[in-house]
Amino acid sequence: GAGVSQSPSNKVTEKGKDVELRCDPISGHTALYWYRQSLGQGLEFLIYFQGNSAPDKSGLPSDRFSAERTGGSVSTLTIQRTQQEDSAVYLCASSLGGSVRGYTFGSGTRLTVV
Amino acid sequence: RKEVEQDPGPFNVPEGATVAFNCTYSNSASQSFFWYRQDCRKEPKLLMSVYSSGNEDGRFTAQLNRASQYISLLIRDSKLSDSATYLCVVNNGDGNNRKLIWGLGTSLAVNP
Repeated sequence: GAGVSQSPSNKVTEKGKDVELRCDPISGHTALYWYRQSLGQGLEFLIYFQGNSAPDKSGLPSDRFSAERTGGSVSTLTIQRTQQEDSAVYLCASSLGGSVRGYTFGSGTRLTVV
Repeated sequence: RKEVEQDPGPFNVPEGATVAFNCTYSNSASQSFFWYRQDCRKEPKLLMSVYSSGNEDGRFTAQLNRASQYISLLIRDSKLSDSATYLCVVNNGDGNNRKLIWGLGTSLAVNP
């Protein structure tokens, strides 16, 4: 597609429920990243996919967080047993691998855990 | 010391003013540098890359000082639409942009 697409744009869930967030990167971009941004905070790296390589999961805050990228394109970030501290904007970005032109972000999913 | 440090501001300037933002980074191996802009409740968007020789894009000028590990962004003739948070971003020195390190941003408000 023309840009990075994320869905849903907003999600309100009850504490303890599981949620799935979707990201559809720019066609042809081999690298895909998940970040989260809490209110008034900087971007926190979560996970990185590059082609068929094993993902870099070093930023995932706990084992309740997992992500997949199917067929080198669409990615799903899953949060199990959500907690209130998981409330944040979850941003997906894609890039041309090692491009020095930086990332293109999607508009994010605003997750609120009540 | 934070990996990327920025003055959080806010900077309040009148239209037409010139304003400069500074950023320092801790990893001397960093090779790629960017300024992103983030509007309130929106995603970050790439404003410009920063090159060793310095670069200009219209009213925006970026400078890099590797010896001091310092990056700057200069905005001339500020417009109301320049009001946003400006994020300084560097790579982590591993040769690609797999891990970009993000500053917390500098807030700019341009007033009429």
